[in-house]
Amino acid sequence: GAVVSQHPSWVICKSGTSVKIECRSLDFQATTMFWYRQFPKQSLMLMATSNEGSKATYEQGVEKDKFLINHASLTLSTLTVTSAHPEDSSFYICSADKTGSGNTIYFGEGSWLTVV
Amino acid sequence: GQNIDQPTEMTATEGAIVQINCTYQTSGFNGLFWYQQHAGEAPTFLSYNVLDGLEEKGRFSSFLSRSKGYSYLLLKELQMKDSASYLCAVLAGTALIFGKGTTLSVSS
Repeated sequence: GAVVSQHPSWVICKSGTSVKIECRSLDFQATTMFWYRQFPKQSLMLMATSNEGSKATYEQGVEKDKFLINHASLTLSTLTVTSAHPEDSSFYICSADKTGSGNTIYFGEGSWLTVV
Repeated sequence: GQNIDQPTEMTATEGAIVQINCTYQTSGFNGLFWYQQHAGEAPTFLSYNVLDGLEEKGRFSSFLSRSKGYSYLLLKELQMKDSASYLCAVLAGTALIFGKGTTLSVSS
C-alpha cells in the first residue's frame, strides 16, 4: 500500500528558533499534499494545500510567513515553522494525494512539536 | 463557506451496529472520506465515496447521497478496539476539509 513518511516524529525546540518537518511519499508521486495541525481532543485543521512546483495555498488565518511550505518535488513537501513560540506546540500531520489514483489520500504518521 | 457536521459523541456495546452520520455543505465536491483516528495517532483511511450508494468493506460500510449532502459510516459487529474518533472529510476542489469528528466509545 501507499506510504507517506513524516519526519521527525517528534521535536522539541526553543522559543524563537525554526523547525522543519518533512513529508515524503515513499512509493508514489503526489502532485498535491496537505498540511494540518491538530490540538488535543480536536479535529484536524487544514493549514495549507501544497502543489508541486507552485506556491502553497494557505487557509484563512494561517500566517504564510510563519509556516513556510515548500513542495519542490513530486515526493517531498516540507513545513518550516519559523520563530516558533509555545503556542505553536501541536501535532502536525501531512497527507498526500496519490496522483492518478482517483483522489486517494494517505496520511503521514504526524509530528509532535513542542516549543519550550 | 465550508461546513461539515457530525455528532460529537456516540456510545455502543460490543457486537452492536452503529451508524455515524455526516452532512456537508461545501463549495465543490470531489469525494467524501471516512477516517479512524486513535488518540495520539494519525488518521487511518477507512473509505472513499464519490458516487451515490453504499460501499462495503468488511465490517465497515459507507454511504453517500450527493443530492442530500449526506453520508454515513456503518460499523457492524463492534469491537472494543473500534473505540476511536471517526472523521468525515470532503474533498472540495483541491482542499480536504474535515468535520470535527465523532468519538465512539464501545463498552462490553
